Amino acid sequence: DGGITQSPKYLFRKEGQNVTLSCEQNLNHDAMYWYRQDPGQGLRLIYYSQIVNDFQKGDIAEGYSVSREKKESFPLTVTSAQKNPTAFYLCASSSVTGRNTIYFGEGSWLTVV
Amino acid sequence: EDQVTQSPEALRLQEGESSSLNCSYTVSGLRGLFWYRQDPGKGPEFLFTLYSAGEEKEKERLKATLTKKESFLHITAPKPEDSATYLCAVRVNRDDKIIFGKGTRLHILP
Repeated sequence: DGGITQSPKYLFRKEGQNVTLSCEQNLNHDAMYWYRQDPGQGLRLIYYSQIVNDFQKGDIAEGYSVSREKKESFPLTVTSAQKNPTAFYLCASSSVTGRNTIYFGEGSWLTVV
Repeated sequence: EDQVTQSPEALRLQEGESSSLNCSYTVSGLRGLFWYRQDPGKGPEFLFTLYSAGEEKEKERLKATLTKKESFLHITAPKPEDSATYLCAVRVNRDDKIIFGKGTRLHILP
């Protein structure tokens, strides 16, 4: 099946640790995105990438890092510099031409313990 | 400033009671408006894309419409399984950014 796969579904982080969330898509989309969702705040853009080896900061990039070495993959690292990382993280992708609807993965829950 | 506002924040309906959800937007140039359904703990599920004023799309009990300033998601004779949060998003011409509203939590009572 074509789609976007995020892993792990649940992740716990200790104070001072970096953690990486995986996102893989087989939709042949050029653009990929990471969003953070908190209750009552809607989706906020962390980073996005429209082509391999290039990415841009979104509205809340501080404390996060990404890489885009392959078209299919866009991992997100939540660093220890992110002071309030507990949230639901969503990866998405879209084409960059034509009817460029954005599609989402199932999300990853990150909790700081 | 580009903005997307959804109303109401929450809506409770009896099964079979039709209603509409609103998504109003102020953007520098609309490249597309998207509706999603999101169940608790899941990623948003794509419903519709609308591109120009006057356009309408339908799927089962849902119908989305678009004007120059807002979009409506009409739900006809809803069932309890239609309970979810409905998200609206717009893609902006200027920088291709995608802006999301905060969603409408819909609860259908049996």
